[in-house]
Amino acid sequence: ETGVTQTPRHLVMGMTNKKSLKCEQHLGHNAMYWYKQSAKKPLELMFVYSLEERVENNSVPSRFSPECPNSSHLFLHLHTLQPEDSALYLCASSQGAVGEKLFFGSGTQLSVL
Amino acid sequence: AQSVTQPDIHITVSEGASLELRCNYSYGATPYLFWYVQSPGQGLQLLLKYFSGDTLVQGIKGFEAEFKRSQSSFNLRKPSVHWSDAAEYFCAVGLSGTYKYIFGTGTRLKVLA
Repeated sequence: ETGVTQTPRHLVMGMTNKKSLKCEQHLGHNAMYWYKQSAKKPLELMFVYSLEERVENNSVPSRFSPECPNSSHLFLHLHTLQPEDSALYLCASSQGAVGEKLFFGSGTQLSVL
Repeated sequence: AQSVTQPDIHITVSEGASLELRCNYSYGATPYLFWYVQSPGQGLQLLLKYFSGDTLVQGIKGFEAEFKRSQSSFNLRKPSVHWSDAAEYFCAVGLSGTYKYIFGTGTRLKVLA
């Protein structure tokens, strides 16, 4: 299923840059998520929005700033990142809370130099 | 604390052989349990999920999983593996009443022709 679209697919940025990741879902879902996937580590939940309200914020550094302008779009604004922030950033959506399956995008592979 | 353990980081099987991927969880309440699969460069796709009812759950692509409460396990099985099953497999627990999913570290499956 390709109902969740993430752009860009790849991003290389310096530590002083500001960039944004974009996610769009075409499934009519009411919840959207940002996950961080690093090698040999479990997926880390970063943020969850339900009906455009942030409902989970998992102790994420302030250099990551989410934005959910409507139920179909989710952004992750990045600034002053560190090399250890290099990872695959996955967006997902669901219709409701736990119990409903997550639909994932293909991710943005981020490299911080 | 809630956790998911996938004890096998890598598994290699021959095409046509049977497969079992192990998953153990720690969670005090009745768990929502999921198996997801991730192909290279892609997001995660749901294979199957369990919350209640029959403890043997059928999923897509010929996969099944069995919930064993006494062992806190939710192992994934397939009777005959195909080369296209080569991917990384993630077990996850959904925390009731939240939007939180706890993922394991994944098992990477290699299929020999």
